[in-house]
Amino acid sequence: AQSVTQLGSHVSVSEGALVLLRCNYSSSVPPYLFWYVQYPNQGLQLLLKYTSAATLVKGINGFEAEFKKSETSFHLTKPSAHMRDAAEYFCAVSASGYSTLTFGKGTMLLVSP
Amino acid sequence: DVKVTQSSRYLVKRTGEKVFLECVQDMDHENMFWYRQDPGLGLRLIYFSYDVKMKEKGDIPEGYSVSREKKERFSLILESASTNQTSMYLCASTSMQGVGNTIYFGEGSWLTVV
Repeated sequence: AQSVTQLGSHVSVSEGALVLLRCNYSSSVPPYLFWYVQYPNQGLQLLLKYTSAATLVKGINGFEAEFKKSETSFHLTKPSAHMRDAAEYFCAVSASGYSTLTFGKGTMLLVSP
Repeated sequence: DVKVTQSSRYLVKRTGEKVFLECVQDMDHENMFWYRQDPGLGLRLIYFSYDVKMKEKGDIPEGYSVSREKKERFSLILESASTNQTSMYLCASTSMQGVGNTIYFGEGSWLTVV
């Protein structure tokens, strides 16, 4: 069975500051890991995914995440926040590439001017 | 681009009504999913399907059923809607070819049961 823990239901940053959203996972098999973003009143959009290739994964909109097996973590970062990054972010894990996703509870990113 | 279309964005239904939520994908994906999203709870899997006429229960199937008569279409059915089913419902699909495939989501259907 898999599970995901996202630390912090809300994270506030200033525009231009570093964004760090934390995700820890639990999986009995090598995991596939995903970060999705949800803008208000919209569905989920894939930001990036880890599929056992490079441990540092680059995604859209300047985001990246690093898979650390020893820490069972897959934290999402962006060097400089923009107002348009304000959204809810979900970390998810699956046991194989096409099986069901197990999601964390989400982290709302708030960006202030 | 992959498109997952949920036919109804906003619905208001009465307690006890039968509710159908329809989802269509245009990428010939084998796998389709229905999730429910609630504040503070994230997304929870209701049902999924690996093929036509096949269905598997997810984490919270109680009060729901599904239908997959055609590969591109996956319907979620609330046999007798209740107020605790007021929520955002998200349909998703993905291919079974290869590994690490992206799961694509629809825009969501907001259901209010009164």
